[in-house]
Amino acid sequence: EVQLVESGGDLVQPGGSLRLSCAASGFTFSSYSMIWVRQAPGKGLEWVSYINSTGRTIYYADSVKGRFTISRDNAKNSLYLQVNSLRAEDTAVYYCAKKGTGGSFDYWGQGTLVTVSS
Amino acid sequence: QSALTQPASVSGSPGQSITISCTGTSSDVGGYNYVSWYQQHPGKAPKLMIYEVSNRPSGVSNRFSGSKSGNTASLTISGLQAEDEADYYCSSYARSSTLVVFGGGTKLTVL
Repeated sequence: EVQLVESGGDLVQPGGSLRLSCAASGFTFSSYSMIWVRQAPGKGLEWVSYINSTGRTIYYADSVKGRFTISRDNAKNSLYLQVNSLRAEDTAVYYCAKKGTGGSFDYWGQGTLVTVSS
Repeated sequence: QSALTQPASVSGSPGQSITISCTGTSSDVGGYNYVSWYQQHPGKAPKLMIYEVSNRPSGVSNRFSGSKSGNTASLTISGLQAEDEADYYCSSYARSSTLVVFGGGTKLTVL
């Protein structure tokens, strides 16, 4: 059974940093691209970042470029998102998801909440 | 403002059919057959319902179907059931630095 479990979310002050983690199991993690998607309270889904299976191809949404860094450790079956220079508008539930067929994402974690507030 | 445009809400009675539209541009929806649809119940993670415009993952009811015409994709749910009440999001691969674009979401109410 595919499982994705996010962790690392917390209450942080503006300008602060966090490292979000996503532990994967039930599939060959090293063979799949992964993404981070976030959802602000009461709002829709927003794609944040993409990383391919080897970690050599990475994309970011313009809203987080230069502040967030996606990475992965295939030996540990883990995906990461380093979030720096946090702003109030970064407050959201952050989901990791596994890439499926075509442009779809077929498995999602339960999310981890990042709250940016003083 | 979301990259893809969806109606904010739709509603239908049990047993009826509804359709949710998702309008983009030739750089995303119209340019690729990489449109997906996700269902999200309150407090839960999104669930993939349709991929590559019209394909259903294993385990998804055949009451859910997808299509596309030009820059607009559509999700149709037939034989509405109470459990279908949820938010629905479309997404598409995009030929830009924004690799993936989502719609703003549509709240489906089953009356």
